[in-house]
Amino acid sequence: GAVVSQHPSRVICKSGTSVKIECRSLDFQATTMFWYRQFPKQSLMLMATSNEGSKATYEQGVEKDKFLINHASLTLSTLTVTSAHPEDSSFYICSARRSMGVFTYEQYFGPGTRLTVT
Amino acid sequence: DAKTTQPPSMDCAEGRAANLPCNHSTISGNEYVYWYRQIHSQGPQYIIHGLKNNETNEMASLIITEDRKSSTLILPHATLRDTAVYYCIVRDDKIIFGKGTRLHILP
Repeated sequence: GAVVSQHPSRVICKSGTSVKIECRSLDFQATTMFWYRQFPKQSLMLMATSNEGSKATYEQGVEKDKFLINHASLTLSTLTVTSAHPEDSSFYICSARRSMGVFTYEQYFGPGTRLTVT
Repeated sequence: DAKTTQPPSMDCAEGRAANLPCNHSTISGNEYVYWYRQIHSQGPQYIIHGLKNNETNEMASLIITEDRKSSTLILPHATLRDTAVYYCIVRDDKIIFGKGTRLHILP
């Protein structure tokens, strides 16, 4: 099956600093990638949709200036958490969409990145 | 918002079949039903999907009612490694997760 990777798997940063998370589709090209966030004992919440070569589309309530998304190539999307605060500590999961034909696609998920802000 | 309703938790004895129900009464004619699961601290794992016919793969079976308003995911011989949160999703353009069902496999 298709593989999506994330780096790093875990990161600890100090409050006020920025941290970048990478999401790569390893064996397919993904024109669309998605970023989710998950707090303990809660479900995944969609943060934004990232399209290659264009600006990301953010879900309601997600601060676009705080969560910078770049999708510069067909295999890489990055999420930068700027000026991180302890409440940004969470499990961040990316997902990549793979075209399977005309109007059909599948979506694969990465293993997640656990961010802890101290 | 998620378009599905699932029980918050279920128990199943190891070796028995686990039957996880899902209601999706507002599903549209061209929307697929997808099932994913998430083992603790991992990314969601695809299990199976279907439109209106029953489907089976190496992991599970998916039974969709004729009116498509509900479905059941069947894990035929549950093992301890099947302990996870199972998400039933009616996929539109984006995958939106509901609260899922936390499945406990009892030894």
